[in-house]
Amino acid sequence: KAGVTQTPRYLIKTRGQQVTLSCSPISGHRSVSWYQQTPGQGLQFLFEYFSETQRNKGNFPGRFSGRQFSNSRSEMNVSTLELGDSALYLCASSLSSLAGHTDTQYFGPGTRLTVL
Amino acid sequence: AQKITQTQPGMFVQEKEAVTLDCTYDTSDPSYGLFWYKQPSSGEMIFLIYQGSYDQQNATEGRYSLNFQKARKSANLVISASQLGDSAMYFCAMRDPYSGAGSYQLTFGKGTKLSVIP
Repeated sequence: KAGVTQTPRYLIKTRGQQVTLSCSPISGHRSVSWYQQTPGQGLQFLFEYFSETQRNKGNFPGRFSGRQFSNSRSEMNVSTLELGDSALYLCASSLSSLAGHTDTQYFGPGTRLTVL
Repeated sequence: AQKITQTQPGMFVQEKEAVTLDCTYDTSDPSYGLFWYKQPSSGEMIFLIYQGSYDQQNATEGRYSLNFQKARKSANLVISASQLGDSAMYFCAMRDPYSGAGSYQLTFGKGTKLSVIP
């Protein structure tokens, strides 16, 4: 079974631009979550999508948005990029049982975004 | 709010020796899940092991085992017979199943960088 894939793997943008990152979950997984990883803040939860609906959102400004398609693929968008948005963006997927915590989240290789 | 604490920023271990990576957590929920992930320099987070709050036995997966002490709120990862390929960052994470209508959100610790010495 193929793992979680993310495209692109590396991205360089300038301040003020916008960027779209893509994530394809493991086949059969319906939940997709996004995390931002920086040296200073560590791993922080951005948002989670399930059945095309955002179920939860972390403490990030509205410039960060996402969506999920009917095939469970997800995209996240960052508008008006700032230098501080430079980070590794990780996508994770899970089967997502609607209750309980035994479901395991599997991560993709990440997209490394550099904002100049 | 949940919190995960990993007090060891870096650890060294001799090849073939065992090593314990510490993790303490804080939550008021009786039901939760604890996970350990490995992150090599390539960046991908690799799932290692899971422990549920109601599990009676410590979880084991090959060379990985979890020393779960619920009363102390600790979930330490034990790696036996360390290999050079074990050199990586290791993250402890917790899932609260009630964080927003059944949504899936992991809270991570800051991580421990493990270096295996030949």
